[in-house]
Amino acid sequence: DVKVTQSSRYLVKRTGEKVFLECVQDMDHENMFWYRQDPGLGLRLIYFSYDVKMKEKGDIPEGYSVSREKKERFSLILESASTNQTSMYLCASSGTRTGGRNEQFFGPGTRLTVL
Amino acid sequence: DAKTTQPPSMDCAEGRAANLPCNHSTISGNEYVYWYRQIHSQGPQYIIHGLKNNETNEMASLIITEDRKSSTLILPHATLRDTAVYYCIVRIYNQGGKLIFGQGTELSVKP
Repeated sequence: DVKVTQSSRYLVKRTGEKVFLECVQDMDHENMFWYRQDPGLGLRLIYFSYDVKMKEKGDIPEGYSVSREKKERFSLILESASTNQTSMYLCASSGTRTGGRNEQFFGPGTRLTVL
Repeated sequence: DAKTTQPPSMDCAEGRAANLPCNHSTISGNEYVYWYRQIHSQGPQYIIHGLKNNETNEMASLIITEDRKSSTLILPHATLRDTAVYYCIVRIYNQGGKLIFGQGTELSVKP
């Protein structure tokens, strides 16, 4: 089974702290994604990566950065957490096999609360 | 913005077929229709996708109209565990890029 794991299910941080959210996938997928999900706003893409050391901004990158040093790992970084970054964060990965479904597989999510 | 329109909520009796509609009137020729669902407190899960032919797998069936401007996801025998938010998404096949999620349809399966 495809596994996308996220480092924490629940996280509480204080305003101004640096926060790292880690995501690991075991399917050798090229593509990885970070979304946040908020009531009434649905899922919104923050950043994505097509390959190691490559990153692309999504729809709401402000206040976030990412790191992809290894193919299986994609980290989301909040340089200085703010209360408006309280949210559910979802990581996903997908492959690019010709003829494959290439659907995105999602992790269980990290519910981050910034106080 | 999402390129799809779905009703915000639907109810279905347990054991009955659940038919979830989706409008995608601006779909391009090279875009596929994907369906995902999200059970409470979990990440979204892929269900099925199609281009123009009807598709069926172990989870659901997908009916796409001939003009491709709308589709229907069918859960043939809904169970309580099918209660979830269902998202209809259009995207270019084999493009590993982002999914644009709309608000989805919240399906409640009732006993």
